[in-house]
Amino acid sequence: DAKTTQPTSMDCAEGRAANLPCNHSTISGNEYVYWYRQIHSQGPQYIIHGLKNNETNEMASLIITEDRKSSTLILPHATLRDTAVYYCIDSSGNTGKLIFGQGTTLQVKP
Amino acid sequence: ETGVTQSPTHLIKTRGQQVTLRCSSQSGHNTVSWYQQALGQGPQFIFQYYREEENGRGNFPPRFSGLQFPNYSSELNVNALELDDSALYLCASSKTQTTWETQYFGPGTRLLVL
Repeated sequence: DAKTTQPTSMDCAEGRAANLPCNHSTISGNEYVYWYRQIHSQGPQYIIHGLKNNETNEMASLIITEDRKSSTLILPHATLRDTAVYYCIDSSGNTGKLIFGQGTTLQVKP
Repeated sequence: ETGVTQSPTHLIKTRGQQVTLRCSSQSGHNTVSWYQQALGQGPQFIFQYYREEENGRGNFPPRFSGLQFPNYSSELNVNALELDDSALYLCASSKTQTTWETQYFGPGTRLLVL
């Protein structure tokens, strides 16, 4: 079973920042936070991951709270192509096993 | 484009039959993981192969089996198909067996069991 909880759905206006929250209530010290997304009819796509520091790459920023019990994925300027299901996952790095929950369906609207 | 391909894209089988799904990983990736995604659900981990050996398995019965070949291709075999096996089957390749390495997913094979 998934260990994270996310809102079922969110809307965002095109060009605005999309902030997607995730709760990691049972995360342990050696588990990383991963975010993947799945655009309709495609396989999941890696976005970003982190342990305890905030991370940024060309796709998004990841904010992890100090107690690591929650994280937020930020898409700084959402486009229509960012409409997808977003999954947050916490997993020990050496298992190779991603446990997906239901994810958050993000709808970016014009 | 992730460089991971799967075949076929769609497949229809009847209950009790056997099916083989194929995946071609990125060159240099010695790990492949397989996931099952039922409609409206997140992907569920089936198993992982690392250097041609099974390296971890999810909560799936033995009728789900796999093979990995040295040429970066792999197979998922399902025997005695059941109606509940209808799903999107995804393979993901990575450089190593850890989740620290990004997993690159293929587009999936959609299986319908009648």
